[in-house]
Amino acid sequence: ELKVEQNPLFLSMQEGKNYTIYCNYSTTSDRLYWYRQDPGKSLESLFVLLSNGAVKQEGRLMASLDTKARLSTLHITAAVHDLSATYFCAVHPIYQAGTALIFGKGTTLSVSS
Amino acid sequence: EAGVTQFPSHSVIEKGQTVTLRCDPISGHDNLYWYRRVMGKEIKFLLHFVKESKQDESGMPNNRFLAERTGGTYSTLKVQPAELEDSGVYFCASSRVGEGYGYTFGSGTRLTVV
Repeated sequence: ELKVEQNPLFLSMQEGKNYTIYCNYSTTSDRLYWYRQDPGKSLESLFVLLSNGAVKQEGRLMASLDTKARLSTLHITAAVHDLSATYFCAVHPIYQAGTALIFGKGTTLSVSS
Repeated sequence: EAGVTQFPSHSVIEKGQTVTLRCDPISGHDNLYWYRRVMGKEIKFLLHFVKESKQDESGMPNNRFLAERTGGTYSTLKVQPAELEDSGVYFCASSRVGEGYGYTFGSGTRLTVV
């Protein structure tokens, strides 16, 4: 069965601290996505990672991909309250003809002062 | 450009009733997807349209769910009759054909069956 596992599922952080969200997946994938969702809002695309060793950064967020380990990380640097949201990773299985994504359960991040 | 629009944003219905969800994709996006998130679980794929054709409906849970995309524009997802386990948030996403990397999601419809 195809699985995408995120951990932790809940993360309470203090402002200014660093932390990492992990995303493991069970199948060969040709791309990995990170999305952010604020309550009641749509999923906002953060990063698309296409190759082994890919690293992308936007502001305080940095995502990386290790296709051999089937692992992606989303690193948060010096967290601020505005980063509070739910973060999802999703993969596209390489053998799959369609373009459906397999999502993880999401990591709910709460940043407090 | 306008985003993906879904409505209603919330719906509360009784078990056994019928509900129809609507998704308006971004103009020019031939790919349209429906996903669902049951509380605390993963967002799961339901089906994929290319224009008006169902490309992949492998994620549809059962025959109580009917999706249509007449004319290749907006799509509807009907649940009839609704059961308690159908509660969740239904997301729609769209993308251009040939641009497999970029999906735009709507804000979802939260369906509660009581």
